[in-house]
Amino acid sequence: NAGVTQTPKFRVLKTGQSMTLLCAQDMNHEYMYWYRQDPGMGLRLIHYSVGEGTTAKGEVPDGYNVSRLKKQNFLLGLESAAPSQTSVYFCASSDTGGNYGYTFGSGTRLTVV
Amino acid sequence: GESVGLHLPTLSVQEGDNSIINCAYSNSASDYFIWYKQESGKGPQFIIDIRSNMDKRQGQRVTVLLNKTVKHLSLQIAATQPGDSAVYFCAEIWGGSEKLVFGKGTKLTVNP
Repeated sequence: NAGVTQTPKFRVLKTGQSMTLLCAQDMNHEYMYWYRQDPGMGLRLIHYSVGEGTTAKGEVPDGYNVSRLKKQNFLLGLESAAPSQTSVYFCASSDTGGNYGYTFGSGTRLTVV
Repeated sequence: GESVGLHLPTLSVQEGDNSIINCAYSNSASDYFIWYKQESGKGPQFIIDIRSNMDKRQGQRVTVLLNKTVKHLSLQIAATQPGDSAVYFCAEIWGGSEKLVFGKGTKLTVNP
């Protein structure tokens, strides 16, 4: 049982480049979330999904887009990367929207130069 | 706005001592709380949770205390070990919400 898998684990982008981060979960969870974590800032919610085909904005959605075409996958896209998007990105999933906690992936460290 | 926060950003203890990590929350409607542990280079891992109809819950070497009167949550780690060194986050959720609200974290360092 792999849980939540994030790919890639590391990436370096040049300003203006685009990329997609993939999150896959094998627990049949309805809810999925994308967070970014910066030093001293804790976890900040970017976007989330309450089910296949749905997405919603979180606390810091600007500069990101997401898609949930399949229940098990939640994609985070950066259309035109900026140095301010240098961060560690975590995906999480939940069966009940948080009432029994989240399962987190191991993170993607993104550097934009 | 309503948020979950922590009293101290860092905590340093000696191996074998007990550790107490504190968290304050401001939303009186919050009814479920979780403590997460995040080791360096890894994602947060669930440690223990507590619902608002309880004031104490124990796990293996960990205890969570909830004081709803002063909106305070604490995590106690007994006989702290070097492997307990990590950042600890509290998180809250209230009925009808679809997402947890996380505090900023406390970095625990265990000295041998």
